[in-house]
Amino acid sequence: KNQVEQSPQSLIILEGKNCTLQCNYTVSPFSNLRWYKQDTGRGPVSLTIMTFSENTKSNGRYTATLDADTKQSSLHITASQLSDSASYICVVSASTGFQKLVFGTGTRLLVSP
Amino acid sequence: DTEVTQTPKHLVMGMTNKKSLKCEQHMGHRAMYWYKQKAKKPPELMFVYSYEKLSINESVPSRFSPECPNSSLLNLHLHALQPEDSALYLCASSQAPLAGGYNEQFFGPGTRLTVL
Repeated sequence: KNQVEQSPQSLIILEGKNCTLQCNYTVSPFSNLRWYKQDTGRGPVSLTIMTFSENTKSNGRYTATLDADTKQSSLHITASQLSDSASYICVVSASTGFQKLVFGTGTRLLVSP
Repeated sequence: DTEVTQTPKHLVMGMTNKKSLKCEQHMGHRAMYWYKQKAKKPPELMFVYSYEKLSINESVPSRFSPECPNSSLLNLHLHALQPEDSALYLCASSQAPLAGGYNEQFFGPGTRLTVL
């Protein structure tokens, strides 16, 4: 069964600190993995997208890693800001002719002043 | 224009009402999607349109009726909804759905639907 699991479920950090969010997946055949940021009541916004051959991808203060062998990904946020408070969703795309997205349940991050 | 727009932002309707949600994109994408998202849950795929034709219907009840009148526009017609249908409805679009590559989906801001 195609699944994406994320940890932790929720996280509170102080402004300026770093944090790392985890994603484990069992999606086959694997096409790509994406990290989205979703503010409450808003649509998800793409942060990074990685294919099988990519190990690391950065977008400003966000750095995603992918280990396709262990089927794990992480999202590292550097020097957190209050505006980073949101849900971060790991999404894996299965290449089954029509790329279907398998969503994780997300990590809710709260950055506290 | 790299934006997916959705209207209305909020909608409150009774169980006997008929209403429509609208989604628009001008990125030349030929795949458009409807998702339903309950609070604190990930989005659930409802429908996929590919080249203006319905490609995927994830066993959605018939009280939800999608329509894709042209390549830029996607509607979701609502009729006789139930209170449990209250959710955030997200629209997304992507490039040619059967091509290789990322086919990254761009999401709209959503419509917050409340069924009384």
